Amino acid sequence: DAGVTQSPTHLIKTRGQQVTLRCSPKSGHDTVSWYQQALGQGPQFIFQYYEEEERQRGNFPDRFSGHQFPNYSSELNVNALLLGDSALYLCASGTTVPNTEAFFGQGTRLTVV
Amino acid sequence: DAKTTQPNSMESNEEEPVHLPCNHSTISGTDYIHWYRQLPSQGPEYVIHGLTSNVNNRMASLAIAEDRKSSTLILHRATLRDAAVYYCIRRGFSSASKIIFGSGTRLSIRP
Repeated sequence: DAGVTQSPTHLIKTRGQQVTLRCSPKSGHDTVSWYQQALGQGPQFIFQYYEEEERQRGNFPDRFSGHQFPNYSSELNVNALLLGDSALYLCASGTTVPNTEAFFGQGTRLTVV
Repeated sequence: DAKTTQPNSMESNEEEPVHLPCNHSTISGTDYIHWYRQLPSQGPEYVIHGLTSNVNNRMASLAIAEDRKSSTLILHRATLRDAAVYYCIRRGFSSASKIIFGSGTRLSIRP
């Protein structure tokens, strides 16, 4: 079992550009959540996808958008990148079975210059 | 709003037990207490969770106060690999509930 896989592992972008990050959930999982983790802080919830729809959203601007595909994999898109978007982006997968844990990927380190 | 309170940092000696406290005084009756940890340069990792009674697994034990306003994660015999940031999280019964992280406790282990 490969667990949750994210790509790429590292990325450098320029201010104003757009970026797409990818996540493959753990086998058997159908929900995907995305988190942003700034250096020295806890992860912040961005949004959650289930059945190819955004189900919950944290306090992030519309520049952050996502998608979930029929195979449950997901993408996080960030438009008009700002320096403050530099962070570790984490993907977590789970199921709708109650009372079960989430599994996190290793993250994508995004640096905006 | 994480709604849990943890010490910023703790230190312990290798091969000794570690007790990591967490306060969650406004917890609702249906919220579970979850613990995750994040090792350096890795994503968070599930440790344990519980509702009312004490819980044990291969990684740790979770002791939940009778009034559920606090809990303690217990690592029975700390190793250097246990050095990480430990997050105490309130989470609803539904596994679709989002995980709201606080700032966690940074645990250091002395050899």
